[in-house]
Amino acid sequence: QVQLQESGPGLVKPSETLSLTCTVSGSFISNYYWNWIRQPPGKGMEWIGNVFYSGVTNYNPSLTSRVTISVDTSKNQFSLKLTSVTAADTAVYYCARVPSYYYGFDYWGQGTLVTVSS
Amino acid sequence: EIVMTQSPATLSVSLGERATLSCRATQSVSSNLAWYQQKPGQAPRLLISGASTRATDIPARFSGSGSGTEFTLTISSLQSEDFAVYYCQQYNDWPRSFGQGTKLEI
Repeated sequence: QVQLQESGPGLVKPSETLSLTCTVSGSFISNYYWNWIRQPPGKGMEWIGNVFYSGVTNYNPSLTSRVTISVDTSKNQFSLKLTSVTAADTAVYYCARVPSYYYGFDYWGQGTLVTVSS
Repeated sequence: EIVMTQSPATLSVSLGERATLSCRATQSVSSNLAWYQQKPGQAPRLLISGASTRATDIPARFSGSGSGTEFTLTISSLQSEDFAVYYCQQYNDWPRSFGQGTKLEI
């Protein structure tokens, strides 16, 4: 059974860097696209970006200057870094898998709430 | 960026009735469209991919149709567990984008 689990601080100060890791079990990192998606409280979803197991990335242009997504195949993990955060970055952050280039997000983590506040 | 617009924002339906949810894209996404169901406090669940192909273990009462810019999710006979928020999402172009959701309520 494929499972994804987000981990990282639930509180980040403004102007600092948000860092999250997604640990994948029941599926190899290889041959899939690994994504980060966020959802501000009570609002819709925003795709942040993804990484292929080879390390190739795609980012949302609205965030590209602040985002880095990387993969660690040896640990079956991938990570998100978002710099210079503000209150607008407060959201539930999800990691999710895409099995091929043209497909939906078939497995999701449970999500983790990250609050940006001093 | 392709903008996805869902209608209506809220749909009130009775148990056993049919629900029809719409999704429109600002430009063609071919059949590269997915539908998700999200219940409070939970992650979204993939229902439909390829505009009309049900994901694993999704009941047959869920069906999707459309291509290009107009898409529909139909739930043929609503069960109590179907009341949730539904999102469409295009994966034809970067960045991937979601609709704002349709809340299905009793």
